[in-house]
Amino acid sequence: EVQLLESGGDLVQPGESLRLSCAASGFTFSSYATSWVRQAPGKGLEWVSAITASGDSTFYADSVRGRFTISRDNTKNTLYLQMNSLRVEDTAVYYCAKLRGRSYGNLDYWGQGTLVTASS
Amino acid sequence: DIQMTQSPSSVSASVGDRVTITCRASQGISAWLAWYQQKPGKAPKLLIYEASNLQSGVPSRFSGGGSGTDFTLTIASLQPEDFATYYCQQAQSFPYTFGQGTKLEIK
Repeated sequence: EVQLLESGGDLVQPGESLRLSCAASGFTFSSYATSWVRQAPGKGLEWVSAITASGDSTFYADSVRGRFTISRDNTKNTLYLQMNSLRVEDTAVYYCAKLRGRSYGNLDYWGQGTLVTASS
Repeated sequence: DIQMTQSPSSVSASVGDRVTITCRASQGISAWLAWYQQKPGKAPKLLIYEASNLQSGVPSRFSGGGSGTDFTLTIASLQPEDFATYYCQQAQSFPYTFGQGTKLEIK
């Protein structure tokens, strides 16, 4: 059974940093691209970032480029999102998701999400 | 970036009704379109991938169609558990983008 378990969400002040983790199990993690998607309270889904299976290519939404960094450790079956210079508008539930392919594709499995709140 | 526009934003329907939701892309995306269902407080769930392929375990009353810029999600006979919010998403190119969502409510 595919499982994705996010952790690391917290309440932080604007300008601070946070690192999210997503532990994967139930599939060959190193064979699939993975992604982060967020959802602000009461709002729709917003794609944030993706990384290819090997980790050699990364992609970002304009809203986070330059502040967030996606990475993965295929030896630990874990996906990360380093979030720097957090803003109030980054407040959201952050989901990790598995893509159907090595480099691209629809998001076929999702974690349960972790809440990030940036507020003073 | 590719913009995804869903319609309607909300719809009221009864158990047993047939419902169709549409999604339009701002440029051609071939068949790189997925549909997700989300219930309150839960993660999204993939229903349809690559426009018309039913994800494993999803009931056959769900179907998807279209290619290029215009796509549909049809629920053939609504069941109580289908009342939720539905999102389309393009995977033609990064940055991936979602539609704004369609809330399906009980009439």
